[in-house]
Amino acid sequence: KQEVTQIPAALSVPEGENLVLNCSFTDSAIYNLQWFRQDPGKGLTSLLLIQSSQREQTSGRLNASLDKSSGRSTLYIAASQPGDSATYLCAVSHQTGANNLFFGTGTRLTVIP
Amino acid sequence: DGGITQSPKYLFRKEGQNVTLSCEQNLNHDAMYWYRQDPGQGLRLIYYSQIVNDFQKGDIAEGYSVSREKKESFPLTVTSAQKNPTAFYLCASSIVAGGPDTQYFGPGTRLTVL
Repeated sequence: KQEVTQIPAALSVPEGENLVLNCSFTDSAIYNLQWFRQDPGKGLTSLLLIQSSQREQTSGRLNASLDKSSGRSTLYIAASQPGDSATYLCAVSHQTGANNLFFGTGTRLTVIP
Repeated sequence: DGGITQSPKYLFRKEGQNVTLSCEQNLNHDAMYWYRQDPGQGLRLIYYSQIVNDFQKGDIAEGYSVSREKKESFPLTVTSAQKNPTAFYLCASSIVAGGPDTQYFGPGTRLTVL
């Protein structure tokens, strides 16, 4: 069964720092990998989606990479801002099945002004 | 505006009662999903539906039931058989099941059993 792990569980950084969030998964037969953002008590917002054939995706200050063979992904946030404070969730879907997502437990990010 | 709505935002239930959580989408998506989120755990799939009048169990379906009579609606019933129902429930949809697109999530319903 697919297991998704995110390290660290929590991270605090001063405003302006660049930072990296990590995600690892045990079964490399994935269809795609997604990074989501969740604000307290809210739903999830999709940030980036990387297909299994891709290496990375970029959106603004966010860059996500995927190393499928080693079962790892990173989310790089440049020039962090207090508004980036949230929980970041990584999820993978498999090549077969109904696009069901397997989620990590998330990294809670706090950007200190 | 297109999107997914969930209601109510907060729900309180007495032990032994069944409750139904609403999920509606106007995105014309075929696939819909229900997840449960507990503190310190990732989201876990309860049920999913790829098409109207069809649905499949996820990883933690025991104590839950769903229906998919209309494309835009996928209500979740938490029955009295669910032993620990207090959690945050999230509904999601995607264009098609098994496709390359992302899932879009609703704002969630927080269920508390008194």
